[in-house]
Amino acid sequence: GDSVTQMEGPVTLSEEAFLTINCTYTATGYPSLFWYVQYPGEGLQLLLKATKADDKGSNKGFEATYRKETTSFHLEKGSVQVSDSAVYFCALRTNTGNQFYFGTGTSLTVIP
Amino acid sequence: DGGITQSPKYLFRKEGQNVTLSCEQNLNHDAMYWYRQDPGQGLRLIYYSQIVNDFQKGDIAEGYSVSREKKESFPLTVTSAQKNPTAFYLCASSIKAGANVLTFGAGSRLTVL
Repeated sequence: GDSVTQMEGPVTLSEEAFLTINCTYTATGYPSLFWYVQYPGEGLQLLLKATKADDKGSNKGFEATYRKETTSFHLEKGSVQVSDSAVYFCALRTNTGNQFYFGTGTSLTVIP
Repeated sequence: DGGITQSPKYLFRKEGQNVTLSCEQNLNHDAMYWYRQDPGQGLRLIYYSQIVNDFQKGDIAEGYSVSREKKESFPLTVTSAQKNPTAFYLCASSIKAGANVLTFGAGSRLTVL
């Protein structure tokens, strides 16, 4: 079935470090891919998305490229800030259904 | 501002009691969803509704019930049949079923004593 596997955390980085959170997916057809972010005590917010192969989603300095050949959608940021501390969820939506499938989430803590 | 309001934010329940979580949206979205979040398991879909008076079971519907009598409201009842109800519950909506963007509420944390 459709699923998302993402890098387990927690991840702790110093401010201005480079961030990568790995995400791979299994899906039939051509899914849309997403990264959502959850700040403490809040619901999830869409961070970025890509709807077809080779698309790059970007927002707030974060980027992820839809790689069909490796079924991946890794999240990257060149220089993290303390305010980026949150839980990051990779997700997909297949083009044949109405369901989203979420990964287990990766907790990121950025220390000054 | 438009958004999704979930209430209560925190709820405690004794075993054997039913409890209803409220979800209201003023985004004029057709589709609404309920997810359960547990540590290390990500989000799992409980129920979703594409339009008023219609809803479908998600992956973990057992022990839960919903209604969709109004477009803006999608309450979730956690019944006594739910074996392990302690969790964080998230309500979401999208402009239509199959849309690419979900908007989430801030969540309700249910603890069974």
